[in-house]
Amino acid sequence: SQQGEEDPQALSIQEGENATMNCSYKTSINNLQWYRQNSGRGLVHLILIRSNEREKHSGRLRVTLDTSKKSSSLLITASRAADTASYFCATGITQGGSEKLVFGKGMKLTVNP
Amino acid sequence: NAGVMQNPRHLVRRRGQEARLRCSPMKGHSHVYWYRQLPEEGLKFMVYLQKENIIDESGMPKERFSAEFPKEGPSILRIQQVVRGDSAAYFCASSPIFGGIQETQYFGPGTRLLVL
Repeated sequence: SQQGEEDPQALSIQEGENATMNCSYKTSINNLQWYRQNSGRGLVHLILIRSNEREKHSGRLRVTLDTSKKSSSLLITASRAADTASYFCATGITQGGSEKLVFGKGMKLTVNP
Repeated sequence: NAGVMQNPRHLVRRRGQEARLRCSPMKGHSHVYWYRQLPEEGLKFMVYLQKENIIDESGMPKERFSAEFPKEGPSILRIQQVVRGDSAAYFCASSPIFGGIQETQYFGPGTRLLVL
């Protein structure tokens, strides 16, 4: 698997339900970030969790990070139709002397009204 | 405070032509990143620039692609002699003065390049 791989690749739920997305990675990281992309649009930063943090909250978002398992999860509670989008995890790594973000392929979330 | 601006939003070129993509970072941001996104794929890092300096171009093809971020004006991603495989969405992101990935990157809306 590549660095930053989301699971599942697609998820369809009903409005009001919770959505959980997982991200696994291979190398050590400085931080892990989640982004949202609506169809045909740019990316919107959702949340950043540093490698020494285990859990972070932002509104209806909850992110966990388990560096021993090299995995992270994004939980969206009480989902809304407007949450329909592609979600990407991106790992912040140091490579070749500089820091960069490495994105996964993303997962599509559909929230049905 | 305007966000990251990119233009054009859509660009159509014939094979062999040149494509110039522009990115104006957020006010106060001196670090610019370019990414390429193929359909149904994630973003792939291309190049990281600060004003007048290329910091990391490890993700950029060695030939036909170049990037600059002059002291004045927007950052430019230039693709010479475009081929059909260059068709993709190109995103620019900027981050504040302390730069690096420890700072959030703010993305522009992207330029969708179509090579005929």
